[in-house]
Amino acid sequence: KAGVTQTPRYLIKTRGQQVTLSCSPISGHRSVSWYQQTPGQGLQFLFEYFSETQRNKGNFPGRFSGRQFSNSRSEMNVSTLELGDSALYLCASSLTVANTGELFFGEGSRLTVL
Amino acid sequence: DQQVKQNSPSLSVQEGRISILNCDYTNSMFDYFLWYKKYPAEGPTFLISISSIKDKNEDGRFTVFLNKSAKHLSLHIVPSQPGDSAVYFCAASGILLASQFYFGTGTSLTVIP
Repeated sequence: KAGVTQTPRYLIKTRGQQVTLSCSPISGHRSVSWYQQTPGQGLQFLFEYFSETQRNKGNFPGRFSGRQFSNSRSEMNVSTLELGDSALYLCASSLTVANTGELFFGEGSRLTVL
Repeated sequence: DQQVKQNSPSLSVQEGRISILNCDYTNSMFDYFLWYKKYPAEGPTFLISISSIKDKNEDGRFTVFLNKSAKHLSLHIVPSQPGDSAVYFCAASGILLASQFYFGTGTSLTVIP
């Protein structure tokens, strides 16, 4: 069974640009969550989608947005990039809603903002 | 507001000895806890979980202990192996809380051969 796939793995952007990251969950998983990992901050929750609906959103500015498609694939978008947005963005899928079972993580998309 | 805390950023242990990684939480509504291991350039991988109805769960060399009154959990690795060198994250959630896991900041474990 294929795992969670995230693309692109690495990308470099400049301040003010926008970026879109993609996540394909494990087949059959309906929940997709996004986390931001920065040094010393652990994993910070961005949002969760379940059956195309955003069920929960973390404490991030409106520049961070996402969506989920009918095939459960998800994208997240960051507009007007800032230097502090440099991080590893992790996508996780789960069979049911995201706080009741194990999360399966992708390898992440490492974003560098110059 | 960090609801899950891992106060030791790093830990070094000799191969064959026990590694004990600690995690504290503040929200008494957490009822499900996970440990993840993360190697550089890889996503976190699930290690072991425990629900609040238990105080111990074992899986091979890994055992997680939960002390609800102290709001504390720990992961024991026995015996420790060099391949266990990684960053370990604890995470917590609550069925009555929002649909997310709250992660600690991680502990970097180094197992010395």
